[in-house]
Amino acid sequence: DADVTQTPRNRITKTGKRIMLECSQTKGHDRMYWYRQDPGLGLRLIYYSFDVKDINKGEISDGYSVSRQAQAKFSLSLESAIPNQTALYFCATSEDRLHYGYTFGSGTRLTVV
Amino acid sequence: AQSVTQLDSHVSVSEGTPVLLRCNYSSSYSPSLFWYVQHPNKGLQLLLKYTSAATLVKGINGFEAEFKKSETSFHLTKPSAHMSDAAEYFCVVSDRWTNAGKSTFGDGTTLTVKP
Repeated sequence: DADVTQTPRNRITKTGKRIMLECSQTKGHDRMYWYRQDPGLGLRLIYYSFDVKDINKGEISDGYSVSRQAQAKFSLSLESAIPNQTALYFCATSEDRLHYGYTFGSGTRLTVV
Repeated sequence: AQSVTQLDSHVSVSEGTPVLLRCNYSSSYSPSLFWYVQHPNKGLQLLLKYTSAATLVKGINGFEAEFKKSETSFHLTKPSAHMSDAAEYFCVVSDRWTNAGKSTFGDGTTLTVKP
């Protein structure tokens, strides 16, 4: 099994619908992140969580919300999806000392029509 | 504040020739620097990292990078490209002590390897 598992892998949804992307990890890391990838723009941070009770906005949090249900689970919700939220979404984890780097999931490709 | 600039959006090499992917960074404090690789339809995989130990860092698959503080650079190299190296590569910077665990990603460099 993968260290960081994202579901679904692909999703097509309609404008205005609420959608949840899920992430679970077996690394035992406290820190979890949601990133968005758009072509030519690298990865941009949506939300991050240092533990179950510590959730923080990233640089592009508008239109998104998150829930940290347990140390191992961190879900991302789009309350009312819009077409410019079409992107590849990655969940990642890290140890407390970030210089060890991230472990990424395989991504969720979301299309909003 | 921190930022990272990948100087080439696309690099094309022939199989067996050297690879050079360029990355410049800025950071107010001591940076940690990383290179990640992303193959098509895959997540990002850590290639190598610099965290204030040796300035020449060796990673997986024959890649290495040299941290040059005076030039604020962290270029990725490989002596001989392989077809399987074709992918997108991301340079990443973190301020180790002040940025509360957040990293800044470059826009990526797409590496094409020709037979």
